[in-house]
Amino acid sequence: GPKVLQIPSHQIIDMGQMVTLNCDPVSNHLYFYWYKQILGQQMEFLVNFYNGKVMEKSKLFKDQFSVERPDGSYFTLKIQPTALEDSAVYFCASSLGEQYFGPGTRLTVL
Amino acid sequence: AQSVTQPDARVTVSEGASLQLRCKYSYSATPYLFWYVQYPRQGLQMLLKYYSGDPVVQGVNGFEAEFSKSDSSFHLRKASVHWSDSAVYFCAVSEGTQVVGQLTFGSGTRLQVYA
Repeated sequence: GPKVLQIPSHQIIDMGQMVTLNCDPVSNHLYFYWYKQILGQQMEFLVNFYNGKVMEKSKLFKDQFSVERPDGSYFTLKIQPTALEDSAVYFCASSLGEQYFGPGTRLTVL
Repeated sequence: AQSVTQPDARVTVSEGASLQLRCKYSYSATPYLFWYVQYPRQGLQMLLKYYSGDPVVQGVNGFEAEFSKSDSSFHLRKASVHWSDSAVYFCAVSEGTQVVGQLTFGSGTRLQVYA
């Protein structure tokens, strides 16, 4: 089936640094999402994005977070600056109706 | 607020046995309902979905789920499991009235199938 790719699979950074997580969505999809899963907890919605704009965001989508799809290819999640509590696996999804998920990026903030 | 509950964190069954994974949701209207499976180091894959109509929906690999409005449930079933079904299963609900809305997930059930 359709594949969503995420780069990198694992990122380790120091607290306070900036990080960009990259998502390569399904080529004809129009809606894009980020979800966050802390180890041992359930996956939680962060934000969705359509037509160049954020449509919805949750309370987890802090001011330090931003999303964009600058060149019509990768959909990115940027965290600047990072905090310890940002350590989690971040899943990207894309959709025309049903959401297709990537394998996740494990972010470790030291 | 909308919520999804998967009461069983872990389920262990023998190969060839039947399976039911439980899911209950809390939502004022009938939402869109999904089951996803996650294999190690892979993204979530959708097994099946329910939007409306026949409460029993068929999915991939022999899975089915039954929607119950009275019970606010959407339990996943399989008649005969295989060792390759070992994975984590998530029940999810779509917010609002659009399929493309954000998903609210349950905490997942880890299924272990032994030979």
